[in-house]
Amino acid sequence: SAVISQKPSRDICQRGTSLTIQCQVDSQVTMMFWYRQQPGQSLTLIATANQGSEATYESGFVIDKFPISRPNLTFSTLTVSNMSPEDSSIYLCSVQAGSANTGELFFGEGSRLTVL
Amino acid sequence: GNSVTQMEGPVTLSEEAFLTINCTYTATGYPSLFWYVQYPGEGLQLLLKATKADDKGSNKGFEATYRKETTSFHLEKGSVQVSDSAVYFCARRMDSSYKLIFGSGTRLLVRP
Repeated sequence: SAVISQKPSRDICQRGTSLTIQCQVDSQVTMMFWYRQQPGQSLTLIATANQGSEATYESGFVIDKFPISRPNLTFSTLTVSNMSPEDSSIYLCSVQAGSANTGELFFGEGSRLTVL
Repeated sequence: GNSVTQMEGPVTLSEEAFLTINCTYTATGYPSLFWYVQYPGEGLQLLLKATKADDKGSNKGFEATYRKETTSFHLEKGSVQVSDSAVYFCARRMDSSYKLIFGSGTRLLVRP
């Protein structure tokens, strides 16, 4: 298993501003994932962040809106840029820490953003 | 395609009732399957998993069997408790990837 810490746990932001979410893992991991959970909805994958390479974004998500850093094997950041109320969500960091066969993910507790 | 379909909630049960939350998936091949649970105000926790056909995952009294014939992974518990009130997400691994695809989630409310 892996212990994942996210900061901030919650924040209230003004429209047009940007916020960076930090994700710290207690062990070295190759793959880190950023998910979004909109109110009352399921989880949607934003991007995959591997150390030493650019993040890979899923359809509907772009680097200009959600820039990601992955400076080492235990840390990543996700920035939500130029926020609007539609960006109000829980943003979750996750890591692959199971075996290669199972592929299970472990999640942080999430960062709940409210955009006014 | 790649999708996971869960029964819609909320599901409201009395304590000690039997629980079933249906989950079906589409996939090529036999991806690993998971149930995650999200308690109020918390992040997602892995509840159980199954990695191949006919596997049964179990944890905390919950069970789910990987049924390739019906492409299903239904979650069951024989006697629910108030503390089981949470949102349950079925998920499958994306083909040849560590990414997970999640179902829409099913909220369970257990009344004393």
